[in-house]
Amino acid sequence: AQSVTQLDSQVPVFEEAPVELRCNYSSSVSVYLFWYVQYPNQGLQLLLKYLSGSTLVKGINGFEAEFNKSQTSFHLRKPSVHISDTAEYFCAVASGAQKLVFGQGTRLTINP
Amino acid sequence: DAGVIQSPRHEVTEMGQEVTLRCKPISGHDYLFWYRQTMMRGLELLIYFNNNVPIDDSGMPEDRFSAKMPNASFSTLKIQPSEPRDSAVYFCASSPFGYNEQFFGPGTRLTVL
Repeated sequence: AQSVTQLDSQVPVFEEAPVELRCNYSSSVSVYLFWYVQYPNQGLQLLLKYLSGSTLVKGINGFEAEFNKSQTSFHLRKPSVHISDTAEYFCAVASGAQKLVFGQGTRLTINP
Repeated sequence: DAGVIQSPRHEVTEMGQEVTLRCKPISGHDYLFWYRQTMMRGLELLIYFNNNVPIDDSGMPEDRFSAKMPNASFSTLKIQPSEPRDSAVYFCASSPFGYNEQFFGPGTRLTVL
């Protein structure tokens, strides 16, 4: 069965600092990987996805992620965060069946 | 498009009562998913449909939970009878096809007293 581990439940950073949110997955077959963002009192929305091709994936709002098959990781990065990036971020894996398995989420807090 | 629509946005009910949550997916999307989000268990997939047919309901916690999709534009999640441990935010999501982006609704916050 597929699973996702988000290594940090909370990440505080200062505004304009870089950030990395870590995600590791387990799967025995080809994987499709996703990052979603959830702003307070809202549903999730897609940040970016990896289906195939280039291992560096660019998404919305300046975020990017790198698929590393040997390390089974899909870490999310942004070079300079803004207050508006404060949200919860979810890594997810889809494999085989037509559904997603989500990690527990990482709460990103941006301090001025 | 208005996006995925869920109603009600908030529901407060007493233990033992029947609760019905509603979802209207984005037009043209073939897949519909019901999720439950709690602090303890995170985001869990309850059930999903393809072309109105339930495909995987292995996440439905108990027989008290049931879901239907009578047509392509409407789905319900019913809890009967409700219990305090059912308190959570329930999300509906739709997708044009399974491995692609899932579009989430705003959720229904359910509180069972």
